[in-house]
Amino acid sequence: EVLLVESGGGLIQPGGSLRLSCAASGFTVSSNYMTWVRQAPGKGPEWVSIIYTGGTTSYADSVKGRFTISRDNSKNTLYLQMNSLRAEDTAVYYCARLGPTNAFDMWGRGTMVTVSS
Amino acid sequence: EIVLTQSPGTLALSPGERATLSCRASQSVSRSYLAWYQQKPGQAPRLLIYGTSSRATGIPDRFSGGGSGTDFSLTISRLEPEDFAVYYCQQYGSSLWTFGQGTKVEIK
Repeated sequence: EVLLVESGGGLIQPGGSLRLSCAASGFTVSSNYMTWVRQAPGKGPEWVSIIYTGGTTSYADSVKGRFTISRDNSKNTLYLQMNSLRAEDTAVYYCARLGPTNAFDMWGRGTMVTVSS
Repeated sequence: EIVLTQSPGTLALSPGERATLSCRASQSVSRSYLAWYQQKPGQAPRLLIYGTSSRATGIPDRFSGGGSGTDFSLTISRLEPEDFAVYYCQQYGSSLWTFGQGTKVEIK
């Protein structure tokens, strides 16, 4: 079965750090374009970051310099290191696979990140 | 950045009726890179349509997409009870992916 399972979310104070994980099964993370997409409560989804098959990364301006996407090929797992967290980073964070037509064709169930004092 | 504006915000219809959802872009979008998603409460978005009009795997043919340039649409020909949800459009352009704010299809 093809599956993405996120973990690592929680309540964190402003300025803090958190690392999210996304374990994949049924396909190889390193052979696909993998992304993080977040969704604040009551809002539409927002693309956050992508890692390409060659390892090149890209970020939305809202997280550039604070978030880092990476992967561990041996564990078939995607990560998102989030530093200097702000209240506006509060959202459900999904890992998602990007298909060949630049649509997100597979999603995990998401992990909630709440940034609050 | 291309901004997508969806209308209406909420659509109240009865099962069996036809639903037409609109997605307008602030700049022209390639037909190859316009997609639609369905999201139910507590769930992740699910890909319905990619490339403006191609249905994703397992999506029933009552869902259809169309449009070009800056105006795109999603049509549900006859609403089934499981179709009441929030729908988002999404585009890719200039190395950025953006989503609309969503249209909620609710039971009248």
